[in-house]
Amino acid sequence: DADVTQTPRNRITKTGKRIMLECSQTKGHDRMYWYRQDPGLGLRLIYYSFDVKDINKGEISDGYSVSRQAQAKFSLSLESAIPNQTALYFCATSVTDRVGNNEQFFGPGTRLTVL
Amino acid sequence: EDQVTQSPEALRLQEGESSSLNCSYTVSGLRGLFWYRQDPGKGPEFLFTLYSAGEEKEKERLKATLTKKESFLHITAPKPEDSATYLCAVRKAAGNKLTFGGGTRVLVKP
Repeated sequence: DADVTQTPRNRITKTGKRIMLECSQTKGHDRMYWYRQDPGLGLRLIYYSFDVKDINKGEISDGYSVSRQAQAKFSLSLESAIPNQTALYFCATSVTDRVGNNEQFFGPGTRLTVL
Repeated sequence: EDQVTQSPEALRLQEGESSSLNCSYTVSGLRGLFWYRQDPGKGPEFLFTLYSAGEEKEKERLKATLTKKESFLHITAPKPEDSATYLCAVRKAAGNKLTFGGGTRVLVKP
């Protein structure tokens, strides 16, 4: 089984609809992240959470919200989707910061299309 | 503002033709430069972390190096299975947030 799973894998929706993307992990990591990826722009951080009670905005949080329901679950919501939110969305996890072991592990991604 | 720039954007290689990818960065208080590989339709897969100038790491045909301003990913005698997008990212001293470059798409033809 995959360590970081995302649902759905693909979603097509219409402008104005509310959408939730879900992420679950079995790695036991305390830190979780949401990124979006657009062609040529690399990955940009939307929100991140260092534990269940800690939620932080990333560089492009406008139009998005998140919920950390448990250590293993981190969901991303688009309250009212718009076409420029069409992108590939990735969830990632990492362990608590310590020297020599800081890599982030990524899920398979959700391809979201907003018409 | 932190910036990470990767070049070239795309690279076409013949099998066995060695080459290098560049990742230039400007960040205050670097606390790690990361290389990831991403296959189409999949999430990035971790390759290397480099922490200080002069450091080198190798994995199969890949070798990553780091200076104070840039990192190189050298691909030696590439095979078609090395075809992927290679991403680099930097981490600042505070927190564990990564800033990614735009990636280099590598295509290795047999």
